[in-house]
Amino acid sequence: AQSVTQPDIHITVSEGASLELRCNYSYGATPYLFWYVQSPGQGLQLLLKYFSGDTLVQGIKGFEAEFKRSQSSFNLRKPSVHWSDAAEYFCAVADRGSGAGSYQLTFGKGTKLSVIP
Amino acid sequence: DVKVTQSSRYLVKRTGEKVFLECVQDMDHENMFWYRQDPGLGLRLIYFSYDVKMKEKGDIPEGYSVSREKKERFSLILESASTNQTSMYLCASSLKLGSSYNEQFFGPGTRLTVL
Repeated sequence: AQSVTQPDIHITVSEGASLELRCNYSYGATPYLFWYVQSPGQGLQLLLKYFSGDTLVQGIKGFEAEFKRSQSSFNLRKPSVHWSDAAEYFCAVADRGSGAGSYQLTFGKGTKLSVIP
Repeated sequence: DVKVTQSSRYLVKRTGEKVFLECVQDMDHENMFWYRQDPGLGLRLIYFSYDVKMKEKGDIPEGYSVSREKKERFSLILESASTNQTSMYLCASSLKLGSSYNEQFFGPGTRLTVL
């Protein structure tokens, strides 16, 4: 079965500093990988996704992530963090379920990001 | 924009009560999902449905059931609520295509407290 590990439970960075959130996955085939963000009191919003092709993917809000098959990683990065980026971030891997065209997501446990002004 | 709505943002129920959580999506999505979110555990899939009247168990279906009578609506049912079902419940929906994954769109969540 697939699994996702986010080693950092909580990260604090200063506004304007760079950010990297770590994600490692375990999956037998080529993974479909995602990063979601959850602002306080809100549902999840998709930041970016990787299916195939270019291993560096660009997302919304200035985020990017790099897929590294050799390291089974899909780390999320942002060059300069804004106070509004304070949220919880979830990495996920998709697995095809039993229903045709239906996919299940397996989520990591999340990394909470705090931003110091 | 895709919109996924959940009937309540906050809900307080008593142990043993039957609880219904409703989710409605307005984009004609085939797939709908119910997740439970707990601190330190992330999101865990309870049930999903890929068509009307169809349902499949996720990772933690025990103590829950679901109903999908109409395409746009997916209900999560707690037959007899227990305190360990106190949690945040998130609904999601996505298109179903033959061979490619489609983004799951999430509702705002229902925070359920069982006393």
